[in-house]
Formats: sequence, C-alpha cells, structure tokens
Amino acid sequence: EAAVTQSPRNKVTVTGGNVTLSCRQTNSHNYMYWYRQDTGHGLRLIHYSYGAGNLQIGDVPDGYKATRTTQEDFFLLLELASPSQTSLYFCASTGTGNAEQFFGPGTRLTVL
Amino acid sequence: TQTVSQSDAHVTVFEGDSVELRCNYSYGGSIYLSWYIQHHGHGLQFLLKYYSGNPVVQGVNGFEAEFSKSDSSFHLRKASVHWSDSAVYFCAVGGSNAKLTFGKGTKLSVKS
Repeated sequence: EAAVTQSPRNKVTVTGGNVTLSCRQTNSHNYMYWYRQDTGHGLRLIHYSYGAGNLQIGDVPDGYKATRTTQEDFFLLLELASPSQTSLYFCASTGTGNAEQFFGPGTRLTVL
Repeated sequence: TQTVSQSDAHVTVFEGDSVELRCNYSYGGSIYLSWYIQHHGHGLQFLLKYYSGNPVVQGVNGFEAEFSKSDSSFHLRKASVHWSDSAVYFCAVGGSNAKLTFGKGTKLSVKS
C-alpha cells in the first residue's frame, strides 16, 4: 500500500516565524501535492511537483514556497507565517496525473 | 477552470438507509472525476474514479457513482449505509494538468 508520511504532525509558531513542513512518499510516485484544508473551503491546492527539482504553482500559493529535493521528499516552506495560514495541511502523491492520490495523515499548523 | 459543487454540506441518514451524495462539476476539456472519503482525524482515502466507458463505476465498501455528461454530475450512492460510513466525502475533478479540484465536502452522519 502507498505510504505518505508527514512531519511534524502538529506545529505551533508565532506570526513572522519560519516553518517547514515535510512530506515523504516511498512509492516512487512522480507527482506530489501540498493542500490546505479549512472549514468551508474543502481542500485547496498550494503547490505541486512532477518530479525532483520541479515545482508547479497551485491555486492558493501566496505566502508559501515549496521544494522537491528528491523523488521521495517534498517540503512546504512558510518563511513569514501569518495567522491566516493556520490550517490543516495535507501532502499527497500519485504515479500519474489522473490516478488516485494517496494522502498523508496531515499536519496541523497553528500560527499565533 | 475546473469547479466542483457539492450542494449538501451535511446529510443524516439511519443505518440501513440508502444515500446519495451530490456532486456537480464544470470543466471544458477531457476530465476524470473521483470521490474520496475522510474519517475524522485522518487523511483522505480514494473511493472510486470515472475516466471513460461505463458511466456507473463501482468503488470500495459498496459505493458506486454515476457520471452524467448532460447533467454535469457525478453523484455517489450506497444502497445500505453502515455506521462506519460516517465521514466527510469529497468529490474531485481533474483534467490534463495533473491537478485535482475538490469540492467543499459533504459530511455524512449515520444514526443507529
């Protein structure tokens, strides 16, 4: 079964803080995604990647950077965190663009 | 631009009842449609997908969905629900750009 792990599972930071969320998949998937989930909005795509070194802009990218260092690892960076970025963040991966996505367990981020 | 609308934020049924969760989409090109389930405190899990062919697709745990091009719909159904089906269900539409756009979700509550 596809495995996607995320760390940390919970994170609290202050406004202006620097945060890195990590995602690793061990299924040799080409595509990886970062979403945020907020009540009333469902899941919204922040950034995604086709492979190591590639980055594509999602639908809500403002305030976020991302980097795909290897096929397995995809990082989401918040360099100046704001309270509006308090959310539940999910990473997902898939082998091809139209296949099912496999989701990680999520990271709950609170920005005070 | 691809959009997804799930008209019901919350649906409540009794165990053994049938249920239909509604999903309407808009997209100009070739698409694929899918449903995901999210149990409380967990990431999303894939249920089923339609890409082409038979408009009725079968998924896990007795779920099925029917694609209708004329109605721009992809409703999810189950003939007899169990209490363990209580969860949030997300409809998603994808196109050639490897992105999925999710609806806001429908929370299904199954009463015993």
